[in-house]
Amino acid sequence: KQEVTQIPAALSVPEGENLVLNCSFTDSAIYNLQWFRQDPGKGLTSLLLIQSSQREQTSGRLNASLDKSSGRSTLYIAASQPGDSATYLCAVIVRQGAQKLVFGQGTRLTINP
Amino acid sequence: SAVISQKPSRDICQRGTSLTIQCQVDSQVTMMFWYRQQPGQSLTLIATANQGSEATYESGFVIDKFPISRPNLTFSTLTVSNMSPEDSSIYLCSVQDFNQPQHFGDGTRLSIL
Repeated sequence: KQEVTQIPAALSVPEGENLVLNCSFTDSAIYNLQWFRQDPGKGLTSLLLIQSSQREQTSGRLNASLDKSSGRSTLYIAASQPGDSATYLCAVIVRQGAQKLVFGQGTRLTINP
Repeated sequence: SAVISQKPSRDICQRGTSLTIQCQVDSQVTMMFWYRQQPGQSLTLIATANQGSEATYESGFVIDKFPISRPNLTFSTLTVSNMSPEDSSIYLCSVQDFNQPQHFGDGTRLSIL
């Protein structure tokens, strides 16, 4: 059974810092990995999708890496801003077609002005 | 990406009652899914809503408790039946076109008294 773990559970940093969120999964037989953010009272916003053949994806100040063999992914946020405050969720895609996503419990990030 | 609307956005219900949650998409999509996010937990896939046929349920979820309908390519409903306090969760609808990332609605926040 695939299990996804995110560390730390919560993180508070001052504005402007670069930071790394970690995600690990127990079974390396995944198709893709996806990072989301969830704002309070809102649904999920997709940030980055890394296909299993890729090692990283970048979008603006966000960079996500994937190491399937070690069962790890990281989300790097550069020059953090208060608007980045949210819960960040990592999900591995374990089924193609009608995708099944297995989520971690998330990292609650607070950026202090 | 598709715009997903869920109704109601939140509700407080009495135990033993049932609630139907609606998910409406502004364009036709191939697949629709229902997830549950219990307090402090990660998202868990309940089922895939299949157009014109019975939903496909994940392990631990049954049709009697979570009946799902999908009459067309833009609409689905999830009913939470005979509710108990353990059903207090956020219920999220997501949509996907083949080989594309999933996109999520804002969710329905359900509390059972």
